Amino acid sequence: DVKVTQSSRYLVKRTGEKVFLECVQDMDHENMFWYRQDPGLGLRLIYFSYDVKMKEKGDIPEGYSVSREKKERFSLILESASTNQTSMYLCASSLGRPEQYFGPGTRLTVT
Amino acid sequence: QKEVEQNSGPLSVPEGAIASLNCTYSDRGSQSFFWYRQYSGKSPELIMSIYSNGDKEDGRFTAQLNKASQYVSLLIRDSQPSDSATYLCAPTRGKSTFGDGTTLTVKP
Repeated sequence: DVKVTQSSRYLVKRTGEKVFLECVQDMDHENMFWYRQDPGLGLRLIYFSYDVKMKEKGDIPEGYSVSREKKERFSLILESASTNQTSMYLCASSLGRPEQYFGPGTRLTVT
Repeated sequence: QKEVEQNSGPLSVPEGAIASLNCTYSDRGSQSFFWYRQYSGKSPELIMSIYSNGDKEDGRFTAQLNKASQYVSLLIRDSQPSDSATYLCAPTRGKSTFGDGTTLTVKP
C-alpha cells in the first residue's frame, strides 16, 4: 500500500511566522503535489514536483514556496503566514501514471 | 470557464436508489478521467478511472465518458449510507485540475 504521511494533522501559527509543512511518501513516486482545500473553492494546486529539486507552480503559488531535496520528501513553506492561508493542506504523490495518492491533510490555522 | 464543472449539490438519495453524479469539461483534449471519493474530514481516494468512451463498471459503480458531449458521470447503484461523501472528478492530463465536487448524502 502506498503511504503518504504529513507531519501534522493540526497546526496553529501566528501571522508572520514561517511555517513548514512536510510530506513523505514511501513508494518511490516521482511526482509530488501540494494542494489547499477550502469550502466552496474545491481543491487547488499550489505547487508540484516531478523530480528531486524540480518544481512547477500550480494555480495559486503566491505566498508559498516548496523544497524537494530528496525524492520521498516534499515540503511546503509559508514564508510569512497570513490569516488567508488558514486552510486544509493536502499532499499527494504519483508514479508515472497520473492517479494520485493523498496524505491525511494538515489543517492549518493562522491567527 | 472552469476546466471541470460538477453538478451543484448537495445531492440526497434514499438508500437503495441510484445516485448520478455528473461532470462536464472544457478541454477537448481530455481523454480520460478519474473519480475520487472524499469522506468528511478525510483526504480524497481514487475509486474509478475511465480511459475510453462508453461505460466502465466496477461493482455498484459505473463511470461513463461521452467525449462528443464532453461529460463524464458516475452512477452508484443500490446506494448505501456509506456512500455518503463528496465525489470529485479530474481529468488525467493537465496540471492536476479537480472539479469542486458534489456532496452525496444517502439517507437510510
